[in-house]
Amino acid sequence: QLQLQESGPGLVKPSETLSLTCTVSGGSISRSSYYWGWIRQPPGKGLEWIGSIYYTGSSDYNPSLKSRVTISEDTSKNQVALKLTSVTAADTAVYYCAKQGLRGARDAFDIWGQGTMVTVSS
Amino acid sequence: QSVLSQPPSASGTPGQRVTISCSGSSSNIGSNNVNWYQQLPGTAPKLLIYNNFQRPSGVADRFSGSKSGSSASLAISGLQSEDEADYYCATWDDSLNGYVLFGGGTKLTVL
Repeated sequence: QLQLQESGPGLVKPSETLSLTCTVSGGSISRSSYYWGWIRQPPGKGLEWIGSIYYTGSSDYNPSLKSRVTISEDTSKNQVALKLTSVTAADTAVYYCAKQGLRGARDAFDIWGQGTMVTVSS
Repeated sequence: QSVLSQPPSASGTPGQRVTISCSGSSSNIGSNNVNWYQQLPGTAPKLLIYNNFQRPSGVADRFSGSKSGSSASLAISGLQSEDEADYYCATWDDSLNGYVLFGGGTKLTVL
């Protein structure tokens, strides 16, 4: 059974880069028809899509974050990574990674990690 | 305020049927499939409905989805106390090279 686990620093200073890793177990991230997304949720607020990477290696990003976001994959470690540069307090949130592609539904996030809280503060 | 509009709250009593709406536009719901998520307090979201009306394995058939034009709805029948959660609609938006949109969420209270 596929499982996702986010990891990374829980505290990041303003203007620095937020780096998170999503480790996938129970299956290969390289499997065709699997896509991998990052979603975040500020405290007490709703969900916001950050971006996704597809098994082809291509990626899509939220237009509001595109200039600061990079999503990549490390197939040797079965991990998907998120980098968000020049962070501010507005980037404080729980960050989730999730699998997409259930029965061809490219945009449906069907398996989620437990999430990791990241606080931006000096 | 999200481009996908959901009522901020909804409520019902056990056994009742409740519906949650999600209103969008021609560039999102009007031309793409809608997915629904349930988020219980303190937990990660869970996919409830995908492709407008399909249920992933393990989701109770009390949950159903529909779409008409640029709007979608989630219906929960036989409401149970454990259904108290936040519910989010989501879809793809074709503008700005395309992106995933989430609704603002609806807090469902079981009275």
